[in-house]
Amino acid sequence: GENVEQHPSTLSVQEGDSAVIKCTYSDSASNYFPWYKQELGKGPQLIIDIRSNVGEKKDQRIAVTLNKTAKHFSLHITETQPEDSAVYFCAASRRVGGYNKLIFGAGTRLAVHP
Amino acid sequence: DAMVIQNPRYQVTQFGKPVTLSCSQTLNHNVMYWYQQKSSQAPKLLFHYYDKDFNNEADTPDNFQSRRPNTSFCFLDIRSPGLGDAAMYLCATSRETETQYFGPGTRLLVL
Repeated sequence: GENVEQHPSTLSVQEGDSAVIKCTYSDSASNYFPWYKQELGKGPQLIIDIRSNVGEKKDQRIAVTLNKTAKHFSLHITETQPEDSAVYFCAASRRVGGYNKLIFGAGTRLAVHP
Repeated sequence: DAMVIQNPRYQVTQFGKPVTLSCSQTLNHNVMYWYQQKSSQAPKLLFHYYDKDFNNEADTPDNFQSRRPNTSFCFLDIRSPGLGDAAMYLCATSRETETQYFGPGTRLLVL
């Protein structure tokens, strides 16, 4: 069935270092890949997304890359700050009727140490 | 600011006592979703409304139901909460197949 694997499950970095989170998906029909950041006790917040016709997208310190052939996409955070500490979820989605069904990865807990 | 609002943020109920969680949105999105998220896990889709059409996920227990009286509001009803239903319940909205935006969630505790 549809599946998204996300690695690592936990990631600890020093402030100012880069962080990379990787996801692999199984459904070749997936065409939209959002990344959500979830702080403790809050709902997931979209931080960046990419569609299947694009290989890379950047927004300030955050970038996402997509390799459709390998069914692999990654989140890159540069110059990490303590406020980047949170759980990050990747998702792969495809159209099902009138909506996009999101298949989430298991999440990565990122800790940025001052 | 346009947003997704969930009330209450915390809900305590007794085992077997019906409970209703609410979600409202000012985004005028036509699709509304309910997810269940247990500790240290990813959100799990329970069901969604496409306009007025209700779509249940195959593995959503019958104990969970939903109502959408109008475009802006959607309710999650848990008929007989069990201890295993304690979780964070997330509402999300989207315009058709565009990005899903999540609310802050309601944390449900079952005693």
